[in-house]
Amino acid sequence: NAGVMQNPRHLVRRRGQEARLRCSPMKGHSHVYWYRQLPEEGLKFMVYLQKENIIDESGMPKERFSAEFPKEGPSILRIQQVVRGDSAAYFCASSPQNGPRLMDEQFFGPGTRLTVL
Amino acid sequence: AQTVTQSQPEMSVQEAETVTLSCTYDTSENNYYLFWYKQPPSRQMILVIRQEAYKQQNATENRFSVNFQKAAKSFSLKISDSQLGDTAMYFCAFMKLTGNQFYFGTGTSLTVIP
Repeated sequence: NAGVMQNPRHLVRRRGQEARLRCSPMKGHSHVYWYRQLPEEGLKFMVYLQKENIIDESGMPKERFSAEFPKEGPSILRIQQVVRGDSAAYFCASSPQNGPRLMDEQFFGPGTRLTVL
Repeated sequence: AQTVTQSQPEMSVQEAETVTLSCTYDTSENNYYLFWYKQPPSRQMILVIRQEAYKQQNATENRFSVNFQKAAKSFSLKISDSQLGDTAMYFCAFMKLTGNQFYFGTGTSLTVIP
């Protein structure tokens, strides 16, 4: 069973360009989470998605950022008109289910390091 | 709001020795989960250990154990018989019982010295 996959691992964009980060959850996992790690900081929650639904986007900046998890294919985190402050490592995690019964472990991908020039 | 504080930005330990990493948190929740994650230079996030707040017994995973003090809102990680492969950033994290997101501390960089 392959782990959570993210691509690209490294992405370089110039200011004003668009960045698309992809995350393929583990097989059988229908819950995806995106986190951002700024230099010298811990990971910060951005958004939680299930297939075709955004469940919680409380950590997502209101502008330029969007996320989707279509019925088929990977989850996409999209950053429009990138700025230097968007430079960070973006981690995706997946879990098989979520609910009050038990906190299922979130399995993290290797991250995408975005550099904005 | 939930906050997680790791007051030790960097630590070092001799190989085979024991080291304790500190973590405190603030929450108004009564039941929740606490975690320690390891992030080696590869940047992969790896779960080390987790604790359910409603369990009084401290969690243990091989050389890793926690000291969970609920009243003090403290959750320290003890690494026994430190190995070179333990060199990494260690993040303490909190999750509500019905939550769907982690709240992470800023991390402690641990170096194991041969």
